[in-house]
Amino acid sequence: GQQLNQSPQSMFIQEGEDVSMNCTSSSIFNTWLWYKQDPGEGPVLLIALYKAGELTSNGRLTAQFGITRKDSFLNISASIPSDVGIYFCAGRQYNNNDMRFGAGTRLTVKP
Amino acid sequence: DTAVSQTPKYLVTQMGNDKSIKCEQNLGHDTMYWYKQDSKKFLKIMFSYNNKELIINETVPNRFSPKSPDKAHLNLHINSLELGDSAVYFCASSQGLVGETQYFGPGTRLLVL
Repeated sequence: GQQLNQSPQSMFIQEGEDVSMNCTSSSIFNTWLWYKQDPGEGPVLLIALYKAGELTSNGRLTAQFGITRKDSFLNISASIPSDVGIYFCAGRQYNNNDMRFGAGTRLTVKP
Repeated sequence: DTAVSQTPKYLVTQMGNDKSIKCEQNLGHDTMYWYKQDSKKFLKIMFSYNNKELIINETVPNRFSPKSPDKAHLNLHINSLELGDSAVYFCASSQGLVGETQYFGPGTRLLVL
C-alpha cells in the first residue's frame, strides 16, 4: 500500500523553540490527520484536515493540508516539555477505509 | 469514561500458545480496527470491521483471526504465537467508513518468549 514519508525522524530542541515536521506522498490523499503518541499510550488525534489548502490550528499547533493533496505539515510553536512524544501523520484516500501512517517524528524537548 | 478500551494491557506468553486480546468502544462507532506497532513504532493496519463485517484484511498471517460479536466489540485471537508477533497492538474505532477520524485504545503490549 501507499506509504507516507514523514520527516524528520527525530528532533531535539530547547524549550521555547518552534518545531516543524512534514509528511509527503506520491499519491493523493483526501484526509490528513496528525496524531501524538505519549510513551505507553495510544495515538491521540491532534488535528484533522479535510480540504486541500486548509490551515487549522489547535492551540500552539498548526497544520496544513497541501494544495497538491500529497503533503501536510505540522508546526508547534513555543514548545514545552510536555510536547515530548512521537508525532504521526496519517492519510486516507477517498472511498478507502485504509488509513496509512507515517513512520513518526520523535520529539525531545530540553527544559 | 474510557472511549476505546483494550484488555489486557500487557501479555507475556510462550511461543506456540494461543491468546486473545479484547477491544470495546463506547462511542457508538460503526467501524473498528486493529493495528500493529512494531519496535520501530511503525503503525500498520491489520483489520477493519464495519457493522460486524470484515472490510479490510491486510496481508496478515492466518494465525490472526478477528471476531466482532457486535458493533462495540472487536477481539483479536492469535494462534500459535511466534517471536515476531511481539509488538503493541492497538484497537481503534471511527464513525462511518470514509474520511472519518479514528480514536485509539491504549494498546496491548504482547511479548512472545
